[in-house]
Order: sequence, then structure tokens, then C-alpha cells
Amino acid sequence: GNSVTQMEGPVTLSEEAFLTINCTYTATGYPSLFWYVQYPGEGLQLLLKATKADDKGSNKGFEATYRKETTSFHLEKGSVQVSDSAVYFCALERNTGGFKTIFGAGTRLFVKA
Amino acid sequence: DTAVSQTPKYLVTQMGNDKSIKCEQNLGHDTMYWYKQDSKKFLKIMFSYNNKELIINETVPNRFSPKSPDKAHLNLHINSLELGDSAVYFCASSQDRLMGDTEAFFGQGTRLTVV
Repeated sequence: GNSVTQMEGPVTLSEEAFLTINCTYTATGYPSLFWYVQYPGEGLQLLLKATKADDKGSNKGFEATYRKETTSFHLEKGSVQVSDSAVYFCALERNTGGFKTIFGAGTRLFVKA
Repeated sequence: DTAVSQTPKYLVTQMGNDKSIKCEQNLGHDTMYWYKQDSKKFLKIMFSYNNKELIINETVPNRFSPKSPDKAHLNLHINSLELGDSAVYFCASSQDRLMGDTEAFFGQGTRLTVV
């Protein structure tokens, strides 16, 4: 079946540290891949996306590359800020009798000043 | 202008009660969803509607009944609430995938607490 696995949190970093949140997926065919972010007390919002192999999604200094050979879509940022503290969700979308977005469990990021 | 709005934001109620959560989107999207987020932040899809028609119904108890009076609204009615229903419920919408855009827009969530 289709599934998304992402690294468990929480992840605690100091400001300006390098961030990697791992995400791997299982799916047939060619799903679209997403990272969503949930800031405290808010709904989810799309951070970046990639729709085909080798695409790189980027936004707000975050980036992730669609790697079909390793079925991965790891999220990276070179220098995190306190304002990046949030929960990050990796997700894939498949058409399985209706388009459905399948989310990973979420990874909470704390960034200390 | 809120794109996806759901009400109420907080809902505290007793076991056995019936409650509804409303959702409206002003984006002109064709597809709307309900997701449940548990205490560990895990998100799970419950329902998906496309142009008022149910297209995804995950394994959700019959006590949960979505209603879509038009494609801009998808309400969630819950009968005989149980303690395990306590969670944050998110409404979302997206354009028809056949048009190419697959981004989902989420509401701010409704925190339901059953006591």
C-alpha cells in the first residue's frame, strides 16, 4: 500500500544549525510529494512540493529533492531560525479511487535562540 | 479573507452528545476533505468529497456523517460522541486534480474535547 515514513521527533536545534528531516515513501507509480508545516495553533500549510523524479521543491530556505531511486524526499534547511519551530509533515498524493493525500506522522522541530 | 474556515475552533462536550463542525471554502475548489489529528499529531484522512459527491470514505465509525450541501461546504456531524473522538479535526480543500494543481489548503482546525 501507499505510506509515508518520517523521522521521529522532536528535533531540537540551535539557531543557524543545519536541518535535515528524513522522509521515505512507499507507493506504486509516481506520486506527488509534499512537505506541509503546522505552526503552533494553526492549520497545515504547504511548504513545498515536487511532482516528478529529480524535481527539487524549495520555499523559505527549505528544499527537498524527489529521489525515486531511494524513494525519499528529505527536507533540508541550511540555517534554521526560531520562527521555524513547528511540526513538519511529509506527504504523498495518489489517485486511488479519488485523490488522497497520505501524511507521515509529523516531526516536531524546536529551534533554540 | 480566510480561504478555508471551520467553526467552532474549540468544542468541549460530554460523552453521548451529538455535535457538528462546519467548514466553508471560498477558493472555488472542487474537492474538500476532513482529517483527524490525534494527540501525537498523526494526520489521517476521514472523508473526501468532489463536487458534493463522496469519493473517499476511510474506515470511520458510522457515527461520523459528512454532509456537503454545495461544493463550498463540507460539514461533519458526529453522533454519540466518545472519549476517543477527542482530537483536532481539520477541513481542507483542493482544486480538481485533473486541472493539475494538487495543493491542499487547510482550515485552522477544530479542537474537540469529549469529557
